[in-house]
Formats: sequence, C-alpha cells, structure tokens
Amino acid sequence: AQSVTQLGSHVSVSEGALVLLRCNYSSSVPPYLFWYVQYPNQGLQLLLKYTSAATLVKGINDFEAEFKKSETSFHLTKPSAHMSDAAEYFCAVSTGRRALTFGSGTRLQVQP
Amino acid sequence: DGGITQSPKYLFRKEGQNVTLSCEQNLNHDAMYWYRQDPGQGLRLIYYSQIVNDFQKGDIAEGYSVSREKKESFPLTVTSAQKNPTAFYLCASSIAFKEPYGYTFGSGTRLTVV
Repeated sequence: AQSVTQLGSHVSVSEGALVLLRCNYSSSVPPYLFWYVQYPNQGLQLLLKYTSAATLVKGINDFEAEFKKSETSFHLTKPSAHMSDAAEYFCAVSTGRRALTFGSGTRLQVQP
Repeated sequence: DGGITQSPKYLFRKEGQNVTLSCEQNLNHDAMYWYRQDPGQGLRLIYYSQIVNDFQKGDIAEGYSVSREKKESFPLTVTSAQKNPTAFYLCASSIAFKEPYGYTFGSGTRLTVV
C-alpha cells in the first residue's frame, strides 16, 4: 500500500522568507517520492524526485527536499520565496508496483 | 518538442451525453495515465495503461472507459454513468510503468456539465 499526507492545505509566506511544505508518506516497501508544482489551469511540472540515491534532493528553482526514513517524511523547502512560487504543490509516492499516488495538495501564497 | 497534448482545453457536457477527451504523446513512452482533479482532493487515478492494447482500472474507474490502440494515444470517454463528471482531467505518461523517474503531464481538460 502507498499513501501520502500533506499537512496544511494553504501556506502563506512573505517574499524572501523560508518556504516549508510538509509531506509524510506511507509505504510497505522503499518508496520513490516526488514533488510537483501546478499553476492555475495547467498540468503538473516535476520539481524534484527521490529514487533511493542521496537523501537530500535538489530540484529546479532552488527547491530541495530531504528524505527521512525514520520520520517517513519528504518535506519541500526553499530558502527564499519569490512571488512566482505562488502555486499548488503536490507530493506523490510510488513503490513501483502501482501508479503514482498524490497528496491532496498545498496552495502556497507569497505575500509582497 | 516532445510532450503530451490534451484536447479540448474546455469541454461542456449535457446530461446523459458521452464525451471523449483526447490525449496524445510523442515522447515514445510506454505507460499512460488518466487522473481526475477536484478541489482539495488532489489527483485520483482513473485508468492506466502499461503497454499498447492493455489497460487497468484505477481507484475511480466507474463511469469511465479508455482504449489504447496506439502507443501515442490514450483517449478517455466519460459516459453518462458518471454522475458527477465536472472536474479537471489530467493525462500523463512515463517511460515505463515501474520506472522511478516520474510522469510528464499534459495541460489538462476542464469538463463541465451543463
């Protein structure tokens, strides 16, 4: 079985502040983990992925995420928020046995 | 450029009508997927196909049907049996079903019942 929980459906930060979006997963086998971003009325774009190599994963636009097996977490961070980061973010998990399972999403708002 | 094309971008359906959403990819990917997106619920898997002429039901397949006659194409039909079809539909593809590199998504079709 595989599932993802995203804590916080809405997160608001000031421009230049740290971004932290939380994701916890459940998986019966070692997982593959992903973060996607979605802008209004568009498809999803891959930000970064964890595939059992380095536990700290760097993605596009200075986003990064750290895989913590002991906490079953894969939180997404960015040191300094930009207005263009305002979007919806989805965490997803796969065990390689099923299609990707997505979390319910976190909408990030960036205040000027 | 390679990618996934979904059409139409907006679609309106009358009660009792079947409609078909198109999804075409030129990435030479074996696997293709259909997800439904509703506000606050994330993406839910409708159907997926690992190879041509084969497809499996996802978590919410009732009221939907698919075909996979060509590697490039994976159309989704929303039938009259789907009681609440208003949603944003996303098509995706991947190199293979079990590979860990993630999916490429189309830009979506927004379906509204009128």
